[in-house]
Amino acid sequence: DTAVSQTPKYLVTQMGNDKSIKCEQNLGHDTMYWYKQDSKKFLKIMFSYNNKELIINETVPNRFSPKSPDKAHLNLHINSLELGDSAVYFCASSQGLPKQFFGPGTRLTVL
Amino acid sequence: DQQVKQNSPSLSVQEGRISILNCDYTNSMFDYFLWYKKYPAEGPTFLISISSIKDKNEDGRFTVFLNKSAKHLSLHIVPSQPGDSAVYFCAASIKGGSTLGRLYFGRGTQLTVWP
Repeated sequence: DTAVSQTPKYLVTQMGNDKSIKCEQNLGHDTMYWYKQDSKKFLKIMFSYNNKELIINETVPNRFSPKSPDKAHLNLHINSLELGDSAVYFCASSQGLPKQFFGPGTRLTVL
Repeated sequence: DQQVKQNSPSLSVQEGRISILNCDYTNSMFDYFLWYKKYPAEGPTFLISISSIKDKNEDGRFTVFLNKSAKHLSLHIVPSQPGDSAVYFCAASIKGGSTLGRLYFGRGTQLTVWP
């Protein structure tokens, strides 16, 4: 029933590791997004995909790589994790309108 | 460079009273505005929106007002209920172009409604 789901909800890992966060939406939307909420609580867009095509790529380190196997999935892979990557990552989706539906978030802690 | 600003990090209101949350923006290209509500450990959920061609939109207890000349919008909640206690994010977007779909968020206002 969950419209936008993310796994895992919590992720604790060591510096230098590689990790992935998965996102799936069952709303039939064409566009999916990744946002990062940092320690100052700002929600900032990282990437946006429309029908598996990258349309927004913010100034994000290239250690972050989104992958969209189909329009219902947008995964986020992070290489060589750093302390500063600790944050909550939100996936979202939309269909044609500015209104976006968000997942529950993944809290990433890098030790 | 925050284009959407919520200058009040917190607001405390008694149950039954009006809650007024404020938001300012700097980019005159913004033409659609949204309010999201967020509970702890959950994702933001859409609450109400307004297009720049309107100055007011109402949905039940929630009303959003837009003052384009002042680049200011506000969310009114009447009457406030304890279940309204959450973080409220203001967001703005620009239709079309390279910013298609991008939402610009404020940093949120924590609303606490006490009995």
